[in-house]
Formats: sequence, C-alpha cells, structure tokens
Amino acid sequence: AAGVIQSPRHLIKEKRETATLKCYPIPRHDTVYWYQQGPGQDPQFLISFYEKMQSDKGSIPDRFSAQQFSDYHSELNMSSLELGDSALYFCASSSGLAGNTGELFFGEGSRLTVL
Amino acid sequence: AQSVAQPEDQVNVAEGNPLTVKCTYSVSGNPYLFWYVQYPNRGLQFLLKYITGDNLVKGSYGFEAEFNKSQTSFHLKKPSALVSDSALYFCAVRPLSGGYNKLIFGAGTRLAVHP
Repeated sequence: AAGVIQSPRHLIKEKRETATLKCYPIPRHDTVYWYQQGPGQDPQFLISFYEKMQSDKGSIPDRFSAQQFSDYHSELNMSSLELGDSALYFCASSSGLAGNTGELFFGEGSRLTVL
Repeated sequence: AQSVAQPEDQVNVAEGNPLTVKCTYSVSGNPYLFWYVQYPNRGLQFLLKYITGDNLVKGSYGFEAEFNKSQTSFHLKKPSALVSDSALYFCAVRPLSGGYNKLIFGAGTRLAVHP
C-alpha cells in the first residue's frame, strides 16, 4: 500500500540558509500535518492543511511557512535557518472526511541538520 | 488544556515477560487515544486507538491497550515481549475542538526488551 512520501530524507544547510521539505500524502487523503521532532523529544505539531487551506497552527516559527497544493502535496519552507532548527520533520496525512476517527499516517521523516 | 503524560522514560523487560507502558491523559469530554511506535530514524507507526466501546482494544503486533476512564489512563500492554519490540512508544490524544485530527503526543517511553 502507498505510504506518505517525504523528500529529501536528509538535508544539510548552513545557518541563515533556506530549506524546503516536500510531502506527498497517501492517495485520497486530503489532510496533511507537519511535525518537528528534536533529538530525544516528542513530535511537536507545526501546522496542518485540509483541502488546501490551513486548518490548524501549532508551534511553527514565523520563519517557516507551508502550503498544500492542488494535488494535495505539501511543502514546508524554512528560512533564516538556526542551529535549533536541526530536527526530524515528519509529515502525516489522513482523510478529513466526517466520521474519520483520526489516526495519522506518518512518513519516514526528513532529517535537517543546520551547521 | 489537553495533555498526555508518559511517566516512564524507559521500561526494561525480559523477553517472554509481559510488558506495560503507561499513559495518562487530561482532556475534557470523551477522548480519542492512540499509541504509536517509532523505530530508530523511522517514522511513527500506528499501533492502536480507542474511540468508544470496549475498554480493551487490540492492535498491531500483539499489542493491546486498556482504557480506564476513572483513572484517565490508556496503558499499552503485551502478554509476551519480544526483543524486536524494543523501540520508542508514544501515546497521543486527539483534541476535541478544531485541529482536523491533530494529535498531541506524550514525551515517549523507550522500551528495551532483553534476551
């Protein structure tokens, strides 16, 4: 079965550079979520999109932005990178249809290292 | 505020023995509760969920969890642990307002199963 695809899997950037992470949800899933997991930390919710509109916002820094496109894939754009942005970034998807009981399906993550 | 607590950073179990990974929650109303497992450098994999009905829910890989409303707990259990069960386990709760299925995770519990 198709899963959530994230790219790139690994990314190394310098401070103050920009980075873009991509997420391709499971087919027919219309909701995408972004999570950030620092070393030894639990996943922290950043932002989510439903039907290409932002549906919820968590602890996403102002330097970060995201969007969901017409094909439901999503991109997380990170600018002015800081050392503390080094983390594993997970994308998850689900079906936002009424009655959905809510489990999220996660990708393998994109590991960002800021030097 | 909705929150999840996993009181143990690590649980050590001998192979073949039963295991329990503890989780308590704080939510208003009836919660949706989830368990996810994370292997090193991998995404989170859904194990099981409680939505309503029978307090004992069964999930993947022989895991089960018991919902206890009076104790606001949702402990993960397995009758006989395997070395391959060694991983990081996250309990999660779905907020009841907004969020289109956004999940809030606990801090995680590392399970180590010894041969």
